[in-house]
Amino acid sequence: EPEVTQTPSHQVTQMGQEVILRCVPISNHLYFYWYRQILGQKVEFLVSFYNNEISEKSEIFDDQFSVERPDGSNFTLKIRSTKLEDSAMYFCASGPGVGDQTQYFGPGTRLLVL
Amino acid sequence: AQSVTQPDIHITVSEGASLELRCNYSYGATPYLFWYVQSPGQGLQLLLKYFSGDTLVQGIKGFEAEFKRSQSSFNLRKPSVHWSDAAEYFCAVGAKAAGNKLTFGGGTRVLVKP
Repeated sequence: EPEVTQTPSHQVTQMGQEVILRCVPISNHLYFYWYRQILGQKVEFLVSFYNNEISEKSEIFDDQFSVERPDGSNFTLKIRSTKLEDSAMYFCASGPGVGDQTQYFGPGTRLLVL
Repeated sequence: AQSVTQPDIHITVSEGASLELRCNYSYGATPYLFWYVQSPGQGLQLLLKYFSGDTLVQGIKGFEAEFKRSQSSFNLRKPSVHWSDAAEYFCAVGAKAAGNKLTFGGGTRVLVKP
C-alpha cells in the first residue's frame, strides 16, 4: 500500500539555523499538507499546497516558513531561522483531493532546536 | 471556527473489554470526520472516516464510529480491545472543500491492562 514518507526521522539543530524537512507524498495525490505537534499539545495545521501554490496557511506559518515541490515528487518545508519554540514533530500529509478529502500522514520528523 | 474536543485524556481498559472514545466537534456545516491512531514512535494512521450516508462507519482493526448530528459527536468504539490497541487516538474534523485543513482534538491515550 502506498505511504507518505518523511526524512529525516529526527533532526537536531542550533537556534538560528535553517532546516529543510522532506516528504514524498503518495504519487497520485494532488493536495499536500504540513502539520506540527509540539510535545503535549494538539496536532496543528501549518499549510496546504495544491497546483504548485499555497492554498491555505495558518497564523503559525509566518515568513520564516516556506514550502516547495521542487521536482514533482518531493514536498519540502523550510524553516529559515529556527527558534527554540519550533521544536516539535512535523507531519507531512497528502490527499487525493477530488471526491475524497482524506489526508494520509507520514511518520513525522522530530525537530529539536537547541 | 471549527473545533474538536476529546474529553478523556487517558483511558485504561482491560484486554478483551469494550472501548469507547468520545469526540465532540463544532462546525458550521456538515463536516468530514476522521479518527487517527498514533502508536508510540509512529505517525498518524487513519482508522476510519465519515463523509456522508450511513452514520455508522466501519474502520480498520475492528473499530467503528457513529456520527450523531444532534449531539455533534463522532464516538469511536471497539467491542474487544487487544493489547496492541494501546496508543493515542485523535479525532479530526475537516471541511468538504478539497485542500482544507483538518482540526484535531487533543487526543485520548489508551492503556490496555492484561
